[in-house]
Amino acid sequence: SQQGEEDPQALSIQEGENATMNCSYKTSINNLQWYRQNSGRGLVHLILIRSNEREKHSGRLRVTLDTSKKSSSLLITASRAADTASYFCATGPYSGGGADGLTFGKGTHLIIQP
Amino acid sequence: DTAVSQTPKYLVTQMGNDKSIKCEQNLGHDTMYWYKQDSKKFLKIMFSYNNKELIINETVPNRFSPKSPDKAHLNLHINSLELGDSAVYFCASSQLGTRPLNIQYFGAGTRLSVL
Repeated sequence: SQQGEEDPQALSIQEGENATMNCSYKTSINNLQWYRQNSGRGLVHLILIRSNEREKHSGRLRVTLDTSKKSSSLLITASRAADTASYFCATGPYSGGGADGLTFGKGTHLIIQP
Repeated sequence: DTAVSQTPKYLVTQMGNDKSIKCEQNLGHDTMYWYKQDSKKFLKIMFSYNNKELIINETVPNRFSPKSPDKAHLNLHINSLELGDSAVYFCASSQLGTRPLNIQYFGAGTRLSVL
């Protein structure tokens, strides 16, 4: 089964507005990560939240995690044109071993209108 | 000074051919991965390689084989290419060590088109 499904699939907002993306997952996790992918590029790690954390901030990013609902949200405040990209949540195996890679959701394509 | 580099960036080939994609990381990481991203942008793990331990996603056809000459390289060989192999392939690396947070660093991708 697929782990990590983002919602919405696409989001278009005006520059300066806040953007919120949601992610749901199915199994127990050690941590949850968010990545950004600019068009034609590789993924870049944005932020990681551990399973015992509820909220985490990094610059204009705010991530929340609700392990009881198996869901996470990524908030980007004061959006900029450069934030236009696809955003993916990713989870690793519960054991934290990680050697078998991350499971990614389908991503949210965010477009910031100038 | 690129952290994770893959070559080539684009690969166009005929069905039935054999091709390779190379990946190198200069981060000193102990684990490397290959992912496949389809036309709908869905990313799926294909392989991970850690200290000579290879973990294979069971859905990957055996026409795909990773080869690691050393800790800094994990190449992907594909035999008898099929149309359905067309996708973007990403190499990634991470440092698991004693703190397996598994933050991954990705290459820019190789866009494979099978005609």
